[in-house]
Amino acid sequence: EVQLVQSGGGLVQPGGSLRLSCSASGFTFINYAIHWVRQAPGKGLEYVSTISSNGDATYYADSVKGRFGISRDNSKNTLYLQMSSLRAEDTAVYYCVRERLAAAAGIFDYWGQGTLVTVSS
Amino acid sequence: IGMTQSPATLSVSPGERATLSCRASQSINNNLAWHQQKPGQAPRLLIYGASTRATDIPARFSGSGSGTEFTLTISSLQSEDFAVYYCHQYNNWPYTFGQGTKLEIK
Repeated sequence: EVQLVQSGGGLVQPGGSLRLSCSASGFTFINYAIHWVRQAPGKGLEYVSTISSNGDATYYADSVKGRFGISRDNSKNTLYLQMSSLRAEDTAVYYCVRERLAAAAGIFDYWGQGTLVTVSS
Repeated sequence: IGMTQSPATLSVSPGERATLSCRASQSINNNLAWHQQKPGQAPRLLIYGASTRATDIPARFSGSGSGTEFTLTISSLQSEDFAVYYCHQYNNWPYTFGQGTKLEIK
């Protein structure tokens, strides 16, 4: 069974930092690109970041570029999102999402359970 | 690419048919997915490639369309189908989502 188990959310002050983790099981982690998607309270879904299967390529939405860093440790089957210079508008539930193996990139086929990040003083 | 879903809320009785729409601001070929989200839960992939059902998705869910106009149809609504549905384009980076359609019980 494919599982993405997230940890690391919480309350942080504006300007602070936080690291999210996403532990994968039930599939060969090294073969898959993984993404982060977030959802502000009561709002829709927003794409955040992508990392390729081997970690060589990373992509960021403009809203987080220069402040967030995505990485992975394939030996531990774990994905990370390092968030810094956090703002109130970064408050959201963050989901790690697996990309389906397919001819077309970007199909999100399994979602983690989500972790809430609250940026507030 | 902007994604626009309609209607924002759809009220349908159990057993009836529901039709949800999604429009892209430019052609995305058939690179469109639909996700279902229930309250307090993570989204779940229903449809990709505009019309291919994901693993374990019941046949009452069907998708159609290409280019800029897409439709998700639920043929006979079950109680567990009342949720929010998001369309998602992956033809162009950055990937974008529609604002969602809330399907509620009439």
